[in-house]
Amino acid sequence: NAGVTQTPKFQVLKTGQSMTLQCAQDMNHNSMYWYRQDPGMGLRLIYYSASEGTTDKGEVPNGYNVSRLNKREFSLRLESAAPSQTSVYFCASSHRGPAQPQHFGDGTRLSIL
Amino acid sequence: AQKITQTQPGMFVQEKEAVTLDCTYDTSDPSYGLFWYKQPSSGEMIFLIYQGSYDQQNATEGRYSLNFQKARKSANLVISASQLGDSAMYFCAMREAFYNTDKLIFGTGTRLQVFP
Repeated sequence: NAGVTQTPKFQVLKTGQSMTLQCAQDMNHNSMYWYRQDPGMGLRLIYYSASEGTTDKGEVPNGYNVSRLNKREFSLRLESAAPSQTSVYFCASSHRGPAQPQHFGDGTRLSIL
Repeated sequence: AQKITQTQPGMFVQEKEAVTLDCTYDTSDPSYGLFWYKQPSSGEMIFLIYQGSYDQQNATEGRYSLNFQKARKSANLVISASQLGDSAMYFCAMREAFYNTDKLIFGTGTRLQVFP
């Protein structure tokens, strides 16, 4: 079972470069999420998508854009990377409802120089 | 106001002993779910256990149990018979039914270290 697959696993960028983080899930989940994890701050929600065709801002959306390409795929784009965006990025997916756990990808470690 | 609070940045426990990791939460939603995740040093997030706000009994999953005290708004994770492999970060999270229904709100985590 693949679950949630994120690519790439590691990336180094220079300030001002752009890149897209890819995420795909094979669990037929409606909801998908992008988080960033910084030391001592837990996981913070960047953007989420409750269903195909919809996206909403989370806690820290500035500097990011997302695309829900279809039910399976949810991408995160950094248009002009900044050192403050150095972080570990997690994609997650779930069914809707308060009893539904989110299932996470293995994360992308992104460093911006 | 912070919705999930984990007041223990780090905890130590000896192998084979039990340990409790604290979590308090704040919500006005009558229906919500509480979750615990484990993050080992390899980095992945592993779902451990779930407790619903209307569940009458505390949730259990193997060596993991959740001490749910609704009136106190606490959902502490109890790990029995700790193993060296339990050393990891542990995150408490909440999902509300009516407000912010699609979001999982995380605490800042507790780092557990199990020593022989």
